[in-house]
Amino acid sequence: KNQVEQSPQSLIILEGKNCTLQCNYTVSPFSNLRWYKQDTGRGPVSLTIMTFSENTKSNGRYTATLDADTKQSSLHITASQLSDSASYICVVSSQTGANNLFFGTGTRLTVIP
Amino acid sequence: DADVTQTPRNRITKTGKRIMLECSQTKGHDRMYWYRQDPGLGLRLIYYSFDVKDINKGEISDGYSVSRQAQAKFSLSLESAIPNQTALYFCATSDADHTGELFFGEGSRLTVL
Repeated sequence: KNQVEQSPQSLIILEGKNCTLQCNYTVSPFSNLRWYKQDTGRGPVSLTIMTFSENTKSNGRYTATLDADTKQSSLHITASQLSDSASYICVVSSQTGANNLFFGTGTRLTVIP
Repeated sequence: DADVTQTPRNRITKTGKRIMLECSQTKGHDRMYWYRQDPGLGLRLIYYSFDVKDINKGEISDGYSVSRQAQAKFSLSLESAIPNQTALYFCATSDADHTGELFFGEGSRLTVL
């Protein structure tokens, strides 16, 4: 069964600190993995995409990693800011099937001053 | 102006009423989707459409119907709303490429009393 699990469900950190969010998946055959950021009351927005051949990709203070062998991805946020407070959703695409997107339930990150 | 526009943004209604949520997009994408988001459950697919003549059920289509009036318009209807349809609803679009990036609207918050 194709599934995406994220941890932790929620996280509170101090401004300026780093944090890492986890995404484990069982989706097969794997096509790509995206991390989305969803601010409160807004729609999700894509942060980064990881394909099978990519291990690491950065987008400013956000760095995503992918281990296709263990089917794990992480999103590392460096020097957190108050504006990083949001939900982060991991979405994995399969190569097959018309409806080929599988969603994690998200990690709710709160950055406090 | 937003690329994906949803109306209304907020709606309160009573059990048994018919409700329509509308979505329009200026991205020129063929693919459109309706998702609902509930706390702890993440985003779940209700219906999707890959072109004007193509309508497909998602994982939670019971109690919902859709209409694809044009490439740019995709509406979601609740024929007889019930309280457990209280949720945040998102319309999304994507291009017909392998990356599968979704572009979301701002969401429609529906409360059924």
